[in-house]
Order: sequence, then C-alpha cells, then structure tokens
Amino acid sequence: DAMVIQNPRYQVTQFGKPVTLSCSQTLNHNVMYWYQQKSSQAPKLLFHYYDKDFNNEADTPDNFQSRRPNTSFCFLDIRSPGLGDAAMYLCATSRTTGDPTYNEQFFGPGTRLTVL
Amino acid sequence: AQKVTQAQTEISVVEKEDVTLDCVYETRDTTYYLFWYKQPPSGELVFLIRRNSFDEQNEISGRYSWNFQKSTSSFNFTITASQVVDSAVYFCALRGETSGSRLTFGEGTQLTVNP
Repeated sequence: DAMVIQNPRYQVTQFGKPVTLSCSQTLNHNVMYWYQQKSSQAPKLLFHYYDKDFNNEADTPDNFQSRRPNTSFCFLDIRSPGLGDAAMYLCATSRTTGDPTYNEQFFGPGTRLTVL
Repeated sequence: AQKVTQAQTEISVVEKEDVTLDCVYETRDTTYYLFWYKQPPSGELVFLIRRNSFDEQNEISGRYSWNFQKSTSSFNFTITASQVVDSAVYFCALRGETSGSRLTFGEGTQLTVNP
C-alpha cells in the first residue's frame, strides 16, 4: 500500500544533542510537510517542500532545519534540542494537480521525541 | 486570516449513542476546502473527508455523516451509533485558496466512547 513512513517511531535524545528524524513516502506526492504537535494541541506547521522549494513558516525556530534529497525522502534536523522541543513530529504529503480538490494531506504515524 | 474553532474540547458518550462534533470556520477566501481528520491514540492523523466550498451537499459514509452549511460557516461531523473504536481526537481543518498548501487546524475534540 502507498503510504507515509516515519522512522523512528520513538526517539530519545539528550539536551543539546543533534537529532534527525526521517520521513519517506511511496505516494509520489510532490509536497512534503513537517508538523510539530505538543500534547493536547493541534499540529503546528514547521515548514514544507513544494517539489524542491523550501517554505519555512515565519515562527519556526532556526534550531529546526530540513532536507529533501529526492521526491521520496524528507528529513527534519533539530540542531540543539531543548526540553521544549519534546513533541510528536508528523510528516505529511500532498500532491498538487490541476484540480485543487484533491490536495488533502496524508500523514505518517509520527515520531515521538523525548529530550532528556 | 483563517480560523477554525472546535468549541468542544472533550466529549464523552456511551457506546451506541450518536454524537456530533462541531466545527466553525472563518475565511475571506471565496474558494476553500474543509477537512476532518481522526487521530487515535497511536498518533497518526487519518484523513476522513474533504468538502469544497462550492459543494454544500451533505455526505454520509457508513456511520459517519457531515453537515456543511455555508450560511453559518459550519462543518459538523456526526457519528451514529458510536463505538469504542471511535475514541480519538478529531480535528477539523481549513485550506483557503490563498493559503497555498497550508492547513489551518482547529484545536481538536477528544471523543471518548465508553462501553
């Protein structure tokens, strides 16, 4: 089945130690997103790639970076995680076509990050 | 600016009861798209439905139904004969034609269905 895959599902890191979360997709969608979701809150968009074009949200901290080496893969790098960065990180994909009615986003299972 | 309001933070029902989750939205876009997602305890957001602003036809899918009313800017979601497996957080979301690919989420409604 076509899907969005996130690895690992659970990640523990130490305060200040860089960490990378990965996302891959078999849907061949051209748009990929990274969201941060803290407990009992809605997902918050960090950035997204429209094809190779990177789009950062204005309030996304510089501590968060992303890479998209090809259509299928996208990485979230947290350069110096703080305690406040502990959250669920969700990857999503969508496709843009001539018909915008088919632009819904499909989400991966998420990576739950713990910062010690 | 766009905004989605889910006034019900938590709802608790007993199995087999019907339950309606409310969603009210604000947008200045003429064309926009509304979505409902389900987030079970496992964490994955599961897409349930998309509704386009130019299509006010209500939709039924099994035990799920959606009532879209542009006059009141509402897009409510009803689960008929609820089951324990329906327990999850449900998010309503909006994407306007001027917002690119961005979704604006409501704060979510935690639904608990008790046996």
